[in-house]
Amino acid sequence: DVQLLESGGGLVQPGGSLRLSCAASGFTFNTYAMGWVRQAPGKGLEWVAGIRDSGTTTTYADSVRGRITISRDNSKNTLYLQMNTLRVEDTAIYYCAKEPQYCSRNSCYFDYWGQGTLVTVSS
Amino acid sequence: EIVLTQSPATLSLSPGERATLSCRASQSVSSYLAWYQQKPGQAPRLLIYDASNRATGIPARFSGSGSGTDFTLTISSLEPEDFAVYYCQQRRNWDTWTFGQGTKVEIK
Repeated sequence: DVQLLESGGGLVQPGGSLRLSCAASGFTFNTYAMGWVRQAPGKGLEWVAGIRDSGTTTTYADSVRGRITISRDNSKNTLYLQMNTLRVEDTAIYYCAKEPQYCSRNSCYFDYWGQGTLVTVSS
Repeated sequence: EIVLTQSPATLSLSPGERATLSCRASQSVSSYLAWYQQKPGQAPRLLIYDASNRATGIPARFSGSGSGTDFTLTISSLEPEDFAVYYCQQRRNWDTWTFGQGTKVEIK
């Protein structure tokens, strides 16, 4: 079974940093693109960042570009999200999610999601 | 940027009733639309992809339809476990992912 287990969330002050991890199992990690999606308390879903299977191509939402870096270690089956210069509005549950095998330029979705890790940015 | 608008915001229905949820795109997305279900305290779960294809393990009472700018998620007969929030989603040009704001299906 596909499993995605996030960790690394917590309380951080504005301007601080945090690194989230997502341990993947149950599938051939290095052949799938992955992404992070967040959900502020009581709000909807917001895509944050994505990374291709090899890790060579990354994409970001405008709201986080320049402050957040997505990466992966295929030897460890692990996805990361390095979050710097955190703002109060970055407070959210961060979900790690897996893309299916075949996505096209305008057609893609997330077929599996982790349970999420809560990031709280507050002084 | 494509905007996805879901309606209604809240749908109040009884178990056994039919639920019809709408997602409208600000420009054509062909048939490239997905639907997710999210229950309180849980991660989203993929229901439908490419407008009308049920994901693995999704019951047949869930169906999706539409193309272009207008899409519908139908739950033919609501079960108690179907009361949740539903989101539509689309990706554009490899790097622009958009979610609708969600429709909450609540028990009447």
